[in-house]
Amino acid sequence: KAGVTQTPRYLIKTRGQQVTLSCSPISGHRSVSWYQQTPGQGLQFLFEYFSETQRNKGNFPGRFSGRQFSNSRSEMNVSTLELGDSALYLCASSAGAGQRAFFGQGTRLTVV
Amino acid sequence: KNQVEQSPQSLIILEGKNCTLQCNYTVSPFSNLRWYKQDTGRGPVSLTIMTFSENTKSNGRYTATLDADTKQSSLHITASQLSDSASYICVVSARGNYQLIWGAGTKLIIKP
Repeated sequence: KAGVTQTPRYLIKTRGQQVTLSCSPISGHRSVSWYQQTPGQGLQFLFEYFSETQRNKGNFPGRFSGRQFSNSRSEMNVSTLELGDSALYLCASSAGAGQRAFFGQGTRLTVV
Repeated sequence: KNQVEQSPQSLIILEGKNCTLQCNYTVSPFSNLRWYKQDTGRGPVSLTIMTFSENTKSNGRYTATLDADTKQSSLHITASQLSDSASYICVVSARGNYQLIWGAGTKLIIKP
């Protein structure tokens, strides 16, 4: 069974641009969560999607948005990028609420 | 406010030695607690998961304990190996919305 796949692995953008990150969950998993991890910080929860609906949302500005498609693949979009958005963005999938989450390798975003 | 605090922030030990990492939480109502291992630049990998009724759970050289009364958990690593060098993250799930509250992690370095 293939694991969680995130693309791209690395990305460099300039301030003011927007970016879209992609996450393909494990086959059969319907829940996809997104996290931001910056050096020295714990994982900060962005949002969770289940069956194409946003079920939970963290405390991030509206520049951070996401969506989930009918095949459970998810995308995360960040608009008007700021230097502080430089981070490792992790996606996790699970079969459902309270189930074990499996993480992708992450997308390393650098904003210059 | 739901919080997870881990200690120490970082730890350096010699190969072959044992160590114990601590996790205190204030999450309520409690659903379960997980320990993850995260190698640098990679996604976290689940080590153990414990529910309210479980006190101890082992995974090879890793043993996690949970005291739901004092809201404390520990991760004990026996006979450490160089490959144990990583960040260890404690994650607590809240019952109801199953939102995951992440600790900042303990960075463990094993020296030969």
